Amino acid sequence: DVKVTQSSRYLVKRTGEKVFLECVQDMDHENMFWYRQDPGLGLRLIYFSYDVKMKEKGDIPEGYSVSREKKERFSLILESASTNQTSMYLCASKTDWTGSPLHFGNGTRLTVT
Amino acid sequence: GQNIDQPTEMTATEGAIVQINCTYQTSGFNGLFWYQQHAGEAPTFLSYNVLDGLEEKGRFSSFLSRSKGYSYLLLKELQMKDSASYLCATLNAGNMLTFGGGTRLMVKP
Repeated sequence: DVKVTQSSRYLVKRTGEKVFLECVQDMDHENMFWYRQDPGLGLRLIYFSYDVKMKEKGDIPEGYSVSREKKERFSLILESASTNQTSMYLCASKTDWTGSPLHFGNGTRLTVT
Repeated sequence: GQNIDQPTEMTATEGAIVQINCTYQTSGFNGLFWYQQHAGEAPTFLSYNVLDGLEEKGRFSSFLSRSKGYSYLLLKELQMKDSASYLCATLNAGNMLTFGGGTRLMVKP
């Protein structure tokens, strides 16, 4: 079974802090994704990566950056956390094959106060 | 751009059949996924359709019409554990998945 592990289940940070969300997958998937999920808005793509050191902006990249130094690890960085970034963050990975599904981590619920 | 619509909420009775619709407008369409998400948990994969027609997988079936930009998820013999959100997502040529807002299904005894 594919395992996607997110480092924290719950996180509370203060406005202005730099926040790192870590994600590791163990199935050698080429593609990794960061989504945020908010009530009424569904899952929205922040960034994705199709290879080491490669990244592409999703639909809502503002206020975020990412890092992929190793194939198995994809980090989401909030440069200066703001209250509107309070959300559930979901990491996912998939192979290159078109029909392969996304495999999600259990999510990190981030609260910015 | 991508635009995906699905009903926000649906209610059905245990043992019944329910159909959850999804309409989409997307550029570079490369298939449609359905996911199930229980409250507080991660989404899990249900189905993938890229050709027109019906794909059956046990109690769950998924249908796609590419010309109409339309899909549905059909759940038969509903069980209480089927109470969850059902997410429709389209895949574009860049291997990016875009999700709809999700349909929250409540199954009542």
